[in-house]
This record gives sequence, structure tokens and C-alpha cells, in this order.
Amino acid sequence: AQSVTQLDSQVPVFEEAPVELRCNYSSSVSVYLFWYVQYPNQGLQLLLKYLSGSTLVESINGFEAEFNKSQTSFHLRKPSVHISDTAEYFCAVILNTGGFKTIFGAGTRLFVKA
Amino acid sequence: NAGVTQTPKFRVLKTGQSMTLLCAQDMNHEYMYWYRQDPGMGLRLIHYSVGEGTTAKGEVPDGYNVSRLKKQNFLLGLESAAPSQTSVYFCASSKTGPGEQYFGPGTRLTVT
Repeated sequence: AQSVTQLDSQVPVFEEAPVELRCNYSSSVSVYLFWYVQYPNQGLQLLLKYLSGSTLVESINGFEAEFNKSQTSFHLRKPSVHISDTAEYFCAVILNTGGFKTIFGAGTRLFVKA
Repeated sequence: NAGVTQTPKFRVLKTGQSMTLLCAQDMNHEYMYWYRQDPGMGLRLIHYSVGEGTTAKGEVPDGYNVSRLKKQNFLLGLESAAPSQTSVYFCASSKTGPGEQYFGPGTRLTVT
């Protein structure tokens, strides 16, 4: 069965430190990959996505993620976090079967400390 | 553009009561979705629609019904609310299936 695993439920980190939020998926078919961010009391917003092409994708606010097909991973990284990055981050996968079912991970809460 | 809007934002129901959650989008998207979000479980798909007049079951459809009479609206109904339906409900839409989803701000529902 297809699934998405976010290995850390919470990640505390000091401001200006680097961070990596891990995401692994299992699927027998090719996938599209997404990271969404949810700020407190808000809906989810797309952070970045991988559909095809370059395996390294970047967001406008300094996050990047790399699709690793052999390790079935799509880890999210940022070299220097800010207090404003405190939020919950969700990894999501769409199975490329001609359908559109999106599978979300359980989420990782990033807490940036001053 | 307002994007995706949801009403109401908060609601408290007693067990057995019914209610309807309204989702509206002004982006002319074909696909619309209803999710519930529970702590530690991410988002789980309740029902979805691939176009006006169509609906289909998602991962956790029991206890819910939906309708998509107009392209821009997607309604989620609870006929007889149960405490297990206490959750935050999110509506989302997308232009096509395998693509970015746009989310509403959520409805926090408590069933006592």
C-alpha cells in the first residue's frame, strides 16, 4: 500500500541554524511530490513541488527539497531558519496512475527558537 | 480573488444534530476536496469531486455526504453528528488532478 512517512513529529531548532525535515514514501508507481506549510490557524499552502525534470526544487523563501528516487525520499531543507518559519510542514504524494489521489504525511512541527 | 472560502469557521454541535459546511472557490477549478485534520494523522480525504455534478468517496467517507450542484461550490453534510467527527475540516480545490491544491482556512467542528 502506498504511504508517506514523515520521520519526525517535532523538530526544535535555533534561529539561523540549518534544518532538514524528512519525508519518505512508498509507491509502486511514479509520483508527484509536494511540501505544504500550515501556519497556526490557517489552511495549508504549497511550499514547493516536484513534477518532473530537475530533482532539486526550491521555494521563494529559501527552502529546497530533493527528489531521490532510489531512496524514495523528498527531504525538505533550509540552510538558515527564521522565527517566522515556525509552522507545521506536510509532505504529500500524488500517485501517477492517471488518477489524482493525494496522500499526506502526518506532518512535522518545526519550532524555531530565538 | 478570494480563493477558497469556508463557512462557518467554528461550530459546536450536539450528538445527533446535522449541519452543512460550505466551500466556495472562485478560481474555476474542476476538482474539489474535503479533508479532515486530526492531531498526528495529517489530512485524510473524506470526499472529492472531479467536476460539477460529480462526487466520489475518499479515504474516510462514513458519516458524511457531499454535493456539487455548482462548479464553484462543494458542500459537506453531517446527517447525525458523532463525537468522533470532532475535527478541523479543510476544503481544497485544484485545476487538475495531479497538481497544486489550494486550501480554505478550515472549519473547527466540535461535537459534544
